[in-house]
Amino acid sequence: GAVVSQHPSWVICKSGTSVKIECRSLDFQATTMFWYRQFPKQSLMLMATSNEGSKATYEQGVEKDKFLINHASLTLSTLTVTSAHPEDSSFYICSARHGGSYEQYFGPGTRLTVT
Amino acid sequence: AQKITQTQPGMFVQEKEAVTLDCTYDTSDPSYGLFWYKQPSSGEMIFLIYQGSYDQQNATEGRYSLNFQKARKSANLVISASQLGDSAMYFCAMREGPQAGTALIFGKGTTLSVSS
Repeated sequence: GAVVSQHPSWVICKSGTSVKIECRSLDFQATTMFWYRQFPKQSLMLMATSNEGSKATYEQGVEKDKFLINHASLTLSTLTVTSAHPEDSSFYICSARHGGSYEQYFGPGTRLTVT
Repeated sequence: AQKITQTQPGMFVQEKEAVTLDCTYDTSDPSYGLFWYKQPSSGEMIFLIYQGSYDQQNATEGRYSLNFQKARKSANLVISASQLGDSAMYFCAMREGPQAGTALIFGKGTTLSVSS
């Protein structure tokens, strides 16, 4: 089946630093990837839609200068949290669509803690 | 207005019993897809079942079935013969429009606890 990986699975960083999270489709090409954010015991909230070779589309309220998304290839999208603050601590999950399938495949998530 | 509503924050069931997790949705688009995902404490999102708006029959996948009532805009998940490993958070989600490349809208989730 289609597999999506994320790296790192968890990261702790200091306030003010930047963190990059990678999302890879391992056995398929993904023209579109999605980035979600999830706070503890809450739902997944869409942050942005990432299309290969073009700029990401951000949801209302998501700072595009803070959450930089790059979809440089058909198998890789990256989310960079710039100048991280404690309130950015969250679980970040990516998903990718596989060809004409209705299903979206989720990565295992990245837990970010900003101290 | 919420697009996906899950009214049960928590549900408790005993092993081997069936349980229904409620989900209602709101869309004016005639073409949409409905999904259920399971999220254990590890955080991974596990796809369970899918129902397309034009599908005539209710979707089934092993112990999971989706009770799709289009007129009522409900898409309840039924888990038969619950197992301890079913304890997790369950999310109902919707894709609006015919494009499979559209992001999913998630409900707030239901925590299912299965006891022996």
